Amino acid sequence: GDSVTQMEGPVTLSEEAFLTINCTYTATGYPSLFWYVQYPGEGLQLLLKATKADDKGSNKGFEATYRKETTSFHLEKGSVQVSDSAVYFCALTWPNRDDKIIFGKGTRLHILP
Amino acid sequence: ETGVTQSPTHLIKTRGQQVTLRCSSQSGHNTVSWYQQALGQGPQFIFQYYREEENGRGNFPPRFSGLQFPNYSSELNVNALELDDSALYLCASSPGVPGGNEQFFGPGTRLTVL
Repeated sequence: GDSVTQMEGPVTLSEEAFLTINCTYTATGYPSLFWYVQYPGEGLQLLLKATKADDKGSNKGFEATYRKETTSFHLEKGSVQVSDSAVYFCALTWPNRDDKIIFGKGTRLHILP
Repeated sequence: ETGVTQSPTHLIKTRGQQVTLRCSSQSGHNTVSWYQQALGQGPQFIFQYYREEENGRGNFPPRFSGLQFPNYSSELNVNALELDDSALYLCASSPGVPGGNEQFFGPGTRLTVL
């Protein structure tokens, strides 16, 4: 079945370090891809999205590129901040179907000052 | 604009009991989806309601049921609770006809089954 696999955490980095969180997917058709973030004590928030191959989603300094050839959507940020500490979920859904989202297991990120 | 709200925030039940969780969708949103997020896991899709009808269901048994009301608010009902039902239950709403729309999540209801 369709699924999302992302790197296991926790990931611990120092402030201003470079971040990569790997995500790969298995899906039929051409899904839309997302990164969601869950800050401590808050609900899930959409961080960025890409709807077709080679699209780059970006927000708050984070970027991810939809790579169909490698079925990947890795999250990157050039210089992380303490406030980026959260759980990050890679996810997919299909346009023109329902709004069902398939999530990865999440990656907890700790940024040390 | 009020976002998605859920009640209660926390709930403790015992095995075999029944529970009802509630969700108010964001203003103007007519689609509501429910997800179960077990500790340390990603959310899993339970089902979705669009215009008061079920519009898709995940791999959950029939004891998980739902309703959507004319004002687009929704309920999730779980019968015969099991220990493994302990989780954070998330509600999400989205506008328009279902089909890849951005979903807006509520803060969740934490259910503990003893």
